[in-house]
Amino acid sequence: AQSVTQPDIHITVSEGASLELRCNYSYGATPYLFWYVQSPGQGLQLLLKYFSGDTLVQGIKGFEAEFKRSQSSFNLRKPSVHWSDAAEYFCAVARNNDMRFGAGTRLTVKP
Amino acid sequence: DTGVSQNPRHKITKRGQNVTFRCDPISEHNRLYWYRQTLGQGPEFLTYFQNEAQLEKSRLLSDRFSAERPKGSFSTLEIQRTEQGDSAMYLCASSVMQGPPSSYEQYFGPGTRLTVT
Repeated sequence: AQSVTQPDIHITVSEGASLELRCNYSYGATPYLFWYVQSPGQGLQLLLKYFSGDTLVQGIKGFEAEFKRSQSSFNLRKPSVHWSDAAEYFCAVARNNDMRFGAGTRLTVKP
Repeated sequence: DTGVSQNPRHKITKRGQNVTFRCDPISEHNRLYWYRQTLGQGPEFLTYFQNEAQLEKSRLLSDRFSAERPKGSFSTLEIQRTEQGDSAMYLCASSVMQGPPSSYEQYFGPGTRLTVT
């Protein structure tokens, strides 16, 4: 069955530290891949996407993600986290008119 | 570009009442999607429109739910005889109608939070 897994429900990092949020998928073929961010009480904002080509993609707000076909992963990274990055992060996969979201990872940033 | 807007932002209703939500997509986007999001979960697909045609409905969309997009612009989602289990955030998103992958790049509104008491 097609699925998206975000193994970490909650992550806490110190401001200025690096960040990596994990995303794994199970799909018949390589899907299109997305990361969204959601602040409390708000809708989702697209951070970045992977369709094809270079497996390291850059997004907004200093985020990047790397697609690894062999691991069926699309992990989100940021070299230095800011307090304003505290939010919920969702990985999403899409193919054949089907789009699925992971359950999300809540990021807390310590001062 | 004003983005996707949704109204109301919050709705509190009593069990058994009907509610209607509105979504205005980005003006040049032909596709419009509705999702439901419960606490601690990602959005779950409900239905989507291409212009005024409703092309797909999830099994989550019971008979009490109906969605319309009469002129291919704004859309409404109505829930009849609300139940406490309907309490959730209802999100609307829109995208262009071009073939994949662009059509998967969805832009979300702020959502309508429904509380059924």
